Amino acid sequence: NSKVIQTPRYLVKGQGQKAKMRCIPEKGHPVVFWYQQNKNNEFKFLINFQNQEVLQQIDMTEKRFSAECPSNSPCSLEIQSSEAGDSALYLCASSLPGQNTEVFFGKGTRLTVV
Amino acid sequence: AQKVTQTQTSISVMEKTTVTMDCVYETQDSSYFLFWYKQTASGEIVFLIRQDSYKKENATVGHYSLNFQKPKSSIGLIITATQIEDSAVYFCAMREGGDSNYQLIWGSGTKLIIKP
Repeated sequence: NSKVIQTPRYLVKGQGQKAKMRCIPEKGHPVVFWYQQNKNNEFKFLINFQNQEVLQQIDMTEKRFSAECPSNSPCSLEIQSSEAGDSALYLCASSLPGQNTEVFFGKGTRLTVV
Repeated sequence: AQKVTQTQTSISVMEKTTVTMDCVYETQDSSYFLFWYKQTASGEIVFLIRQDSYKKENATVGHYSLNFQKPKSSIGLIITATQIEDSAVYFCAMREGGDSNYQLIWGSGTKLIIKP
């Protein structure tokens, strides 16, 4: 069973509100990913970290989305001003470094923007 | 350009039979890694099995096995003796050996329905 812990499981926000979700990666995993999964099951990569450093992020993340993975604290993903189109399942995953390593997922945060 | 394609959107089979789910990939990298994951109805995503491109032997874990056809850029997932609890959405993913950012390229998923 995955030991990636995501909170909250469900989040409901009004348009324009901030939405913040947290993730505790599996112990010993320095690589953390955030994905957005839409209703069509499509995975959209948002950002990933190795330790506290950003490895890669998409343009969307640079605008309304912010994320961090401070040492000794949970990682977090925040949407500054939620839009209806942000409603999705947000998945955090972690892994050991290396191209052949498996990625382990948390149970996700389901965001609904009303 | 990297791409992973799962053309089967949904498959329905009887319990205790064998099912194969297709996945084809595109990459320019000579070294790459292929993964299969399953997402249950609750949304939980579980890693199932991995194939390394340099290995000729098909990976096998429990009742999951892979049909790796490198010349066809194909990595099929085979589930034998299916059970009701195998009902889920199955995703194929690829990571290139040269990607220092550890990016996974995901397929669109195949929904598997196991009928009693």
